[in-house]
Amino acid sequence: AQKVTQAQTEISVVEKEDVTLDCVYETRDTTYYLFWYKQPPSGELVFLIRRNSFDEQNEISGRYSWNFQKSTSSFNFTITASQVVDSAVYFCALSEAGSSNTGKLIFGQGTTLQVKP
Amino acid sequence: NAGVTQTPKFQVLKTGQSMTLQCAQDMNHNSMYWYRQDPGMGLRLIYYSASEGTTDKGEVPNGYNVSRLNKREFSLRLESAAPSQTSVYFCATEQGAFYSNQPQHFGDGTRLSIL
Repeated sequence: AQKVTQAQTEISVVEKEDVTLDCVYETRDTTYYLFWYKQPPSGELVFLIRRNSFDEQNEISGRYSWNFQKSTSSFNFTITASQVVDSAVYFCALSEAGSSNTGKLIFGQGTTLQVKP
Repeated sequence: NAGVTQTPKFQVLKTGQSMTLQCAQDMNHNSMYWYRQDPGMGLRLIYYSASEGTTDKGEVPNGYNVSRLNKREFSLRLESAAPSQTSVYFCATEQGAFYSNQPQHFGDGTRLSIL
């Protein structure tokens, strides 16, 4: 069965602190994709990153970085030097490639990040 | 370039009323999806359409129907609304190329309240 778990419901940090959002997934497929989306207070969903199961290289984009470890089925997201504008709900999601390949996303419960000035 | 457009943005219904949520895309994507977002539960898939002319149930399809009217439009219908269907509904699209699993593009959502 497919499942994504974001165990941290809410995280509160002070501006400039580093923060890591955890994501653990379950799948039987060998080919799958992992995503992170941001949902700011305005409500829209903003795509952040897509990773396939064969690429375990960590990725850095500005203050954002992602650590993908197949051995622990985790795809964690770190924000360095957090800013107030990073306050949002962050979702981790899984999409299995497989034979059906419908592209549907399985979302985690989301982590609400509050960055205080 | 609108991307994914959902209408209406807000709606209040009484229990038992029916309504259709509309979704239209101008991205020429093959796949379209309807999700609902409830507090503490992330987004859950209601129905999806992998290509024009096909629809399939997702995780929480009960109480809903869908129509893939053409490649651009995918509507979600509540035949007899229930308070448990109070939620924020998101439509999304994806390119739909085989073994691609590209990022999905989301509409701005429809906030639906059922009294």
